[in-house]
Amino acid sequence: KNQVEQSPQSLIILEGKNCTLQCNYTVSPFSNLRWYKQDTGRGPVSLTIMTFSENTKSNGRYTATLDADTKQSSLHITASQLSDSASYICVVSVQGAQKLVFGQGTRLTINP
Amino acid sequence: DVKVTQSSRYLVKRTGEKVFLECVQDMDHENMFWYRQDPGLGLRLIYFSYDVKMKEKGDIPEGYSVSREKKERFSLILESASTNQTSMYLCASSFTRVGEQFFGPGTRLTVL
Repeated sequence: KNQVEQSPQSLIILEGKNCTLQCNYTVSPFSNLRWYKQDTGRGPVSLTIMTFSENTKSNGRYTATLDADTKQSSLHITASQLSDSASYICVVSVQGAQKLVFGQGTRLTINP
Repeated sequence: DVKVTQSSRYLVKRTGEKVFLECVQDMDHENMFWYRQDPGLGLRLIYFSYDVKMKEKGDIPEGYSVSREKKERFSLILESASTNQTSMYLCASSFTRVGEQFFGPGTRLTVL
């Protein structure tokens, strides 16, 4: 069964600290993986996309990694800011099936 | 700037009422989607459409129907609202079927 599991479910850190969010998937065949950021009361917005051949991709203070062998991805946030408080959702695309599998999200809170 | 708009941010309806949620996108996307988002369950696909007058059931279509009379507009209909349909409803559109999805701000529906 195609599944995407994210951990932790929620995370609280102090402003300025780094953090890493995890995404494990069992999707096969794999096409690509996206990370979305969802601010409270808003729709999700794409942060980054990774294909099978990509290991690392950065978007400002956000760095996503992908290990296609272990079927794991992580989103690392450097020098966190209050505006990083949001839910982060991992979404994996199933090749050929034209289907997306969503993770449940990680709720990140940045405290001053 | 891409834009997906939803007709209401907050909606309160009574059990048994017929409810219409409207979504409009200005990106000329062929693909449009309706999701509901509940705590701990993430985003779940209700219905999607790959073209005008075309619709496909998602993972949880029971109790819902949709209408796509024009390319830019995708409506979600609750024929007879029930309390278990209280949720956040998100509309999205995309250029390709599994490409980046652009989300609206969401409609928080409460059914009393």
